[in-house]
Amino acid sequence: GAVVSQHPSWVICKSGTSVKIECRSLDFQATTMFWYRQFPKQSLMLMATSNEGSKATYEQGVEKDKFLINHASLTLSTLTVTSAHPEDSSFYICSARATSGRAPETQYFGPGTRLLVL
Amino acid sequence: AQTVTQSQPEMSVQEAETVTLSCTYDTSESDYYLFWYKQPPSRQMILVIRQEAYKQQNATENRFSVNFQKAAKSFSLKISDSQLGDAAMYFCAYLGSGSGYALNFGKGTSLLVTP
Repeated sequence: GAVVSQHPSWVICKSGTSVKIECRSLDFQATTMFWYRQFPKQSLMLMATSNEGSKATYEQGVEKDKFLINHASLTLSTLTVTSAHPEDSSFYICSARATSGRAPETQYFGPGTRLLVL
Repeated sequence: AQTVTQSQPEMSVQEAETVTLSCTYDTSESDYYLFWYKQPPSRQMILVIRQEAYKQQNATENRFSVNFQKAAKSFSLKISDSQLGDAAMYFCAYLGSGSGYALNFGKGTSLLVTP
C-alpha cells in the first residue's frame, strides 16, 4: 500500500525556536498534501492544503506566517512552525493525495509528529 | 460548509458482539465520499471503510459495514464480531470537491472493547 512518512516523529524545542516537519510520499507522487493538527482527545483539524509548485491555502484562523508550508516537489511537503510557543504543542499529521494511478479521493496519512514546546 | 456530527463520544462493546457507531453529515453537494477512520493509541490514521455517495449499495469490508442513508445524511458503521484490537478512536469523515478534497472529520467516538 501507499506509504507516507513524517520526520521527525517526536520533537521537543525551546520557546521561540523554529521547527521543521517533513512529509514524504514514498511510493507515489502527491500533487496535494494536507496538514492537520490534533490536540489531545480531539479530532483532526485541517490547517492548510499544500499544492506542489504553488502557495499553500490556509484555513481560517491559521497564521500563515507562523506555519510556513513548502511543497517543493511531488513527494515532499514541509511545515515549519516559526517562533514556536507552548500553545503550539500538538500532534501534527500530514496526508497525501495521489496524482495518478490511485483513486484521487483517497488520502494516505503519515504517522504524525508530536511537538512539545517548552 | 460541510459538517460531520458524531453524537457518541464513547461506546463500549463486549468481545464478539456487534456495535454501531453513528455519524450524520450536512452538505449541499451531490458528489462526495464518506469514510470511517480508526486511530489506535499509536495515532496512525487507518482507513476502515469508504463509501461513494453515488453508490446505493452499502460498503462492506470484512467485519465492518456501513449503513448509508443518503436522504437522511446518515452514515453509520457496524462492527461485527468485535475484537480487542478494534478498541480505538473512530472518526467519520466527509470529502467533497467543495472543500478542495480535504477531509472534514467528526469529533470521534472512543470505542472500548471488553473481554
